[in-house]
Amino acid sequence: DAGVIQSPRHEVTEMGQEVTLRCKPISGHNSLFWYRQTMMRGLELLIYFNNNVPIDDSGMPEDRFSAKMPNASFSTLKIQPSEPRDSAVYFCASSRGQGSYEQYFGPGTRLTVT
Amino acid sequence: KQEVTQIPAALSVPEGENLVLNCSFTDSAIYNLQWFRQDPGKGLTSLLLIQSSQREQTSGRLNASLDKSSGRSTLYIAASQPGDSATYLCAVRPRDTGNQFYFGTGTSLTVIP
Repeated sequence: DAGVIQSPRHEVTEMGQEVTLRCKPISGHNSLFWYRQTMMRGLELLIYFNNNVPIDDSGMPEDRFSAKMPNASFSTLKIQPSEPRDSAVYFCASSRGQGSYEQYFGPGTRLTVT
Repeated sequence: KQEVTQIPAALSVPEGENLVLNCSFTDSAIYNLQWFRQDPGKGLTSLLLIQSSQREQTSGRLNASLDKSSGRSTLYIAASQPGDSATYLCAVRPRDTGNQFYFGTGTSLTVIP
C-alpha cells in the first residue's frame, strides 16, 4: 500500500487566499484524522472522521477552517480566508477503525501564509 | 481529558549508549499506546504499538513497555546510533472516546558520534 497520501507537500499563499489541503487515507481504513503541528503548540488534532462522518471538530480553530470527507478515499481541509498564523505543517492520518488499531501518518503539507 | 507528558524534552547521548525515553498519561483506561519517530521536516513514523493488555513490545533495538496502573510507558533504545537522532512522540488512545489519540510533546534525541 502507498500509505497515506497528502497533497500538496508545500503550499505558499498570500493572506486572504483560500487554501485546500488533500488527503487519501490507506485503503480499508475508516478513520481519518487531521492534525496541525507548530513549534509553539506541538501536534494538535483538528478534526476526525469515522466512516466519512465528522465525529469531533472541537479542535478546528475557527470558522475559517472546514473539512469534508465525501467518500472513504478522499478528504479535504480548507482554510478560507487564510492568515499568517495558519502557517504550520498539516498532517493527515488514518486508522483501520476505532479501538485498538494503530494510526498511520501522511508526509504532511507545509503551509506558509505570507 | 487525557494528558500525556514526555520527559525530558531533549536528550543528548554519545553513540553506543543505551537510553530510556519516558511517557506518562493521566487516565489509565486506554486501548493502546503508540510510539512514533519524527525526523526534522518529515511526518510521523510508527515505531511500536502496545495494546492495553500487553506489557511490552520489541522491534530490533527498540523495546517499549507499558504500565497502565501507574500511567507510564518507556521506550528503551539499545546501542544508540547517530541515525536514531529524531523526535520521539508517544500517543494514547483512551477507551472513553475510542478514536481520538492524545499526543505528548515529544523528546528530541541527539546521538553524538
